[in-house]
Amino acid sequence: GQSLEQPSEVTAVEGAIVQINCTYQTSGFYGLSWYQQHDGGAPTFLSYNGLDGLEETGRFSSFLSRSDSYGYLLLQELQMKDSASYFCAVLDSSYKLIFGSGTRLLVRP
Amino acid sequence: DGGITQSPKYLFRKEGQNVTLSCEQNLNHDAMYWYRQDPGQGLRLIYYSQIVNDFQKGDIAEGYSVSREKKESFPLTVTSAQKNPTAFYLCASRGQSSGNTIYFGEGSWLTVV
Repeated sequence: GQSLEQPSEVTAVEGAIVQINCTYQTSGFYGLSWYQQHDGGAPTFLSYNGLDGLEETGRFSSFLSRSDSYGYLLLQELQMKDSASYFCAVLDSSYKLIFGSGTRLLVRP
Repeated sequence: DGGITQSPKYLFRKEGQNVTLSCEQNLNHDAMYWYRQDPGQGLRLIYYSQIVNDFQKGDIAEGYSVSREKKESFPLTVTSAQKNPTAFYLCASRGQSSGNTIYFGEGSWLTVV
């Protein structure tokens, strides 16, 4: 079956750096994307990696290693407003978009 | 502004009723998706469509039906066969021209009363 694994919960201090890992097992692969979701809201797109390497967008960076079926989201200079759930998602070879179960990030003062 | 519009935002259904959730996009995206999210859980794929007049079942299609008669529209019907329909429903679209970025609607909360 297809699956994406990510930690269920991460806690970090304001101003720190946190990394959220994602490993996947899917039928084919077009790319790995990351989404942020605040309680009660819809997910919003953060980044997409179609090729190996690092993509940087402001305080957020995302990394992909296709040979390891692994990626991560790096959040720098954490702010209280970053407290949310973060989801990784894979676009498989049939263009099915599959989500992980999410990582709840709690940022403490 | 371009985007995805879901309606209604909140919906109450009596047992045994079918309800239809609307999803409209003006992003000119070919692909559209429907997800279900239960409290504290991830997103589970119900149905998806890559092109007009074609759609595929996702992981939890039982008790749901969709249509894709127009590129802009991908309505989801929650039928009476869905025994536990209370959840948050999210519609999304994807366009290759936007680097496979996925855009979500605001979501629809469905409650069975």
